[in-house]
Amino acid sequence: DTGVSQDPRHKITKRGQNVTFRCDPISEHNRLYWYRQTLGQGPEFLTYFQNEAQLEKSRLLSDRFSAERPKGSFSTLEIQRTEQGDSAMYLCASTFKWGEPSTDTQYFGPGTRLTVL
Amino acid sequence: DAKTTQPNSMESNEEEPVHLPCNHSTISGTDYIHWYRQLPSQGPEYVIHGLTSNVNNRMASLAIAEDRKSSTLILHRATLRDAAVYYCILRDVNTGFQKLVFGTGTRLLVSP
Repeated sequence: DTGVSQDPRHKITKRGQNVTFRCDPISEHNRLYWYRQTLGQGPEFLTYFQNEAQLEKSRLLSDRFSAERPKGSFSTLEIQRTEQGDSAMYLCASTFKWGEPSTDTQYFGPGTRLTVL
Repeated sequence: DAKTTQPNSMESNEEEPVHLPCNHSTISGTDYIHWYRQLPSQGPEYVIHGLTSNVNNRMASLAIAEDRKSSTLILHRATLRDAAVYYCILRDVNTGFQKLVFGTGTRLLVSP
């Protein structure tokens, strides 16, 4: 257990429905990242926050995706009008910005596995 | 981001040493070499990192070639729990706290 939790662990939905995932980072960590991982591939970056500010978004993050981190604590990732291609593992990671720069270890949660039928 | 090349898979027997190679011929002087691994049904976890000198920690050792164009992650005695996908990632310290850019990694199979 890294201290990063994600909820739910599994989500099955029908195409066209909206889904929301939650990530609770390690409490003192000010940076939070979202990644997506499809079968047989490494995780791909989606977006990251420093405190409550969303500082970078990948081109993978289409208009149907939105992420928030109110008050710089937990974060949510919402997917609207889900498509079958959204089926993947969604991973959250956190880190502490003012740590040793050469290390910047990211601590990952267990992920949320999304299946879109 | 500079890219890395790793074999798709490797096999080992339990309690034997494992050497996982990584090529990074376009590495820059400010790129640190990081290794993460992902156990089945879990998120990735940090293993080790280094810049120029070889590094050891409780999980593994990292051997870095003198020209830094390749490195090797060494597991001294593989256990069944070490079966995972291992990712070699370059991180430029000058750009700071950037996202991790994963490749497809090396899937390590450990047999009893």
